[in-house]
Amino acid sequence: RKEVEQDPGPFNVPEGATVAFNCTYSNSASQSFFWYRQDCRKEPKLLMSVYSSGNEDGRFTAQLNRASQYISLLIRDSKLSDSATYLCVVKRGNNRLAFGKGNQVVVIP
Amino acid sequence: AAGVIQSPRHLIKEKRETATLKCYPIPRHDTVYWYQQGPGQDPQFLISFYEKMQSDKGSIPDRFSAQQFSDYHSELNMSSLELGDSALYFCASSRATSGREDEQYFGPGTRLTVT
Repeated sequence: RKEVEQDPGPFNVPEGATVAFNCTYSNSASQSFFWYRQDCRKEPKLLMSVYSSGNEDGRFTAQLNRASQYISLLIRDSKLSDSATYLCVVKRGNNRLAFGKGNQVVVIP
Repeated sequence: AAGVIQSPRHLIKEKRETATLKCYPIPRHDTVYWYQQGPGQDPQFLISFYEKMQSDKGSIPDRFSAQQFSDYHSELNMSSLELGDSALYFCASSRATSGREDEQYFGPGTRLTVT
């Protein structure tokens, strides 16, 4: 079983709509959680860290549920430029990152 | 702001050749990580260094070695290349004492093609 599970999609989202997706992680000892964005053939870019209390950055909101071991990302008022793959990422105590396969988001005009 | 620099950006090698990939972390970052991303796959952790010492080792083949130098740049040496080594190789860096040492920033990657 993969350490971080994501539904790859694609998620076809009308421009201006809200889209949300989750990922689950299997290692309860995981310490830190992130969402990265990756455009085709480019490097992963840190979108936001995810804190237990939840956090928001503009149109993006992330939530962490440690009891159920899942992380969510919500994008409001989707823009065409939001089209990308969103990688759910978990860090264990040894600092290595474990990636999910990503949620592919396509924002449609 | 300065980002992670990787060179070369593209590399084409033949089977059984060797390759050296270089990574220059963000200034004042002391930790470097190497990841391999195959076609359609998510990045897989290879190895990391903190203050020039290996700090963690993942699924790195024995044919590969890496080190971090006194200026904090890192090199990934790959020998006896195989077709399956064709992938994007990312370097990431972080700063251990920043209070945000969990956050890793990725370079643009080196695309290695083995023919």
